[in-house]
Amino acid sequence: QVQLLQSGSEMKKPGASVKVSCNTSGYSFLDYDVTWVRQAPGQGLEWVGWISVDDDHTNYAPEFQGRVTMTTDTSTSTAYMELRSLTSDDSAVYYCARAVTSYFDPWGQGTLVIVSS
Amino acid sequence: QSALTQPASVSGSPGQSITISCTGTSSDIGVYNYVSWYQQHPGKAPKLMIYEVSYRPSGVSNRFSGSKAGNTASLTISGLQAEDDAYYHCTSYTSSSTHWVFGGGTKVTVL
Repeated sequence: QVQLLQSGSEMKKPGASVKVSCNTSGYSFLDYDVTWVRQAPGQGLEWVGWISVDDDHTNYAPEFQGRVTMTTDTSTSTAYMELRSLTSDDSAVYYCARAVTSYFDPWGQGTLVIVSS
Repeated sequence: QSALTQPASVSGSPGQSITISCTGTSSDIGVYNYVSWYQQHPGKAPKLMIYEVSYRPSGVSNRFSGSKAGNTASLTISGLQAEDDAYYHCTSYTSSSTHWVFGGGTKVTVL
């Protein structure tokens, strides 16, 4: 079945960077895009960005532009999201999801990122 | 503050029907049919329940249905069951540079 397995929890200091991985299986990696969404504690979902796997074209939400980079490794069917210049406001669970034109399905299990001094 | 507006909570008794609204603007829900709904149990990842306003993925109960009128989308759960007790999030594509916007989420409580 289609699965997205994310890397484990991370604890970072303010100003640092974090790179989260999303290893996919059960489908042809090149046939679908990947999107990233985050959820701060007790909050709703927030779209971070989208990467087209076949041509590496990216779209980032304006609030993350300049601080986020999404990449893929087609040899391992893995997507990555790197977020730089972390602040406490970036503490959240980060999800990857397989992206179809109009929806996201399925989702990874989430990666908790805690930013604290 | 989320771009789409959802009620914070909705409750109902087993067997009843409830409807969750998701209000956007003429830049998102009002102009695109790319509205989807996700169910999320505490500590779990979101699960797709409805896509493109009213389509149900394979495996999702037909007790879940979606609709749209103007700038507002709705998710209806009929025959409420204990397992429906969860958060529900709506999302829509938007013509703004944000591309995708979410609602703040609605907690459904089965009494």
